Amino acid sequence: NAGVTQTPKFRVLKTGQSMTLLCAQDMNHEYMYWYRQDPGMGLRLIHYSVGEGTTAKGEVPDGYNVSRLKKQNFLLGLESAAPSQTSVYFCASSPISGGTYEQYFGPGTRLTVT
Amino acid sequence: AQTVTQSQPEMSVQEAETVTLSCTYDTSESDYYLFWYKQPPSRQMILVIRQEAYKQQNATENRFSVNFQKAAKSFSLKISDSQLGDAAMYFCASGGRKSSGDKLTFGTGTRLAVRP
Repeated sequence: NAGVTQTPKFRVLKTGQSMTLLCAQDMNHEYMYWYRQDPGMGLRLIHYSVGEGTTAKGEVPDGYNVSRLKKQNFLLGLESAAPSQTSVYFCASSPISGGTYEQYFGPGTRLTVT
Repeated sequence: AQTVTQSQPEMSVQEAETVTLSCTYDTSESDYYLFWYKQPPSRQMILVIRQEAYKQQNATENRFSVNFQKAAKSFSLKISDSQLGDAAMYFCASGGRKSSGDKLTFGTGTRLAVRP
């Protein structure tokens, strides 16, 4: 069981470039989440998904798009990267309600936009 | 809307001593749950302990325990017999059972240093 994996682990982009972060989970979880972590601000929710084919906005969705075409994958896209998007990005997943409500996190992706 | 406040950006404890990290929260949910996550230098987020609001008994996991004061909306983490491996960033988080997608709201974190 790999749990939650994220690709890539590090990336440097130039302003205006685009990229996609991939999150994969092998626990058959219904819910998946993308967070960003910035110094002094904790983790903030960007987008989330309650099932295959569905996505919803979180607290800080601007500048990001997501897709969940397969239950096990949740993609985060940056269409035109900006320096303000320099951050560490975490993906997480959790089973549908009725369980422990724990979220399981991936190892994170450090993104730098110059 | 939920808010989580961690008022201690940094804390320090002597090895083998006890330390308490503070957390207060605000929620409109009547049924909710609370977590403490640990983030060591590896960056991996690790669940330390969880508490469901309807349970009056404070949760305990080995050297980690919480002091859950529901009326005061306080959820502090006590680490007993601190070890060097406890040095990390600690995040408090809350979530509502009725919240779509079981979303969590995180505090800004407390960085814990352990002195040998």
